[in-house]
Amino acid sequence: DTGVSQDPRHKITKRGQNVTFRCDPISEHNRLYWYRQTLGQGPEFLTYFQNEAQLEKSRLLSDRFSAERPKGSFSTLEIQRTEQGDSAMYLCASSLRDRVKGYTFGSGTRLTVV
Amino acid sequence: AQSVTQLGSHVSVSEGALVLLRCNYSSSVPPYLFWYVQYPNQGLQLLLKYTTGATLVKGINGFEAEFKKSETSFHLTKPSAHMSDAAEYFCAVTGGNNRLAFGKGNQVVVIP
Repeated sequence: DTGVSQDPRHKITKRGQNVTFRCDPISEHNRLYWYRQTLGQGPEFLTYFQNEAQLEKSRLLSDRFSAERPKGSFSTLEIQRTEQGDSAMYLCASSLRDRVKGYTFGSGTRLTVV
Repeated sequence: AQSVTQLGSHVSVSEGALVLLRCNYSSSVPPYLFWYVQYPNQGLQLLLKYTTGATLVKGINGFEAEFKKSETSFHLTKPSAHMSDAAEYFCAVTGGNNRLAFGKGNQVVVIP
């Protein structure tokens, strides 16, 4: 069990550019989640996958955001035409279908849009 | 939908004193409840969780929490604060759906 890995740890981008983040979940976990955390706030749910299927998306996930999980393994989160309001920590978590064992979070990707 | 209320964004506690962080939840179904700790520029680390069974749950680093259904609460305590406890703490709830709903967090400052 190597935990949940996220890459990159930090990303600085200019407004209007596209960015992509990667999350590698715990290998036996079939559920994968993306959250966004802004300064001074708790994480907010964005979307989740069960295997390769994206089963739920938050209203926070605008048309500029897209997430994929090909083959039910790693996941990517892409933000197109970034805006300053997208600056946040993007957290990935994974879990088994049986949530009793809880959710394991990665260290996050800190995005700064300048 | 589920929600969590954590009052008092900043909590100061003297080293060796009791740590008490309050969490009240709202859920239309029996909840699963969690406390996470976050250190600067890090992800979330699970402290403890309640799913079913015993209502007093013990976690890592000497923390424990008690699920009180009648009060819709899940307060976190630690008998004696240590300098290493300085961090941000989040309470979270999940119910019938698959998302965690987090509170706004408590920033704990430990005074030597």
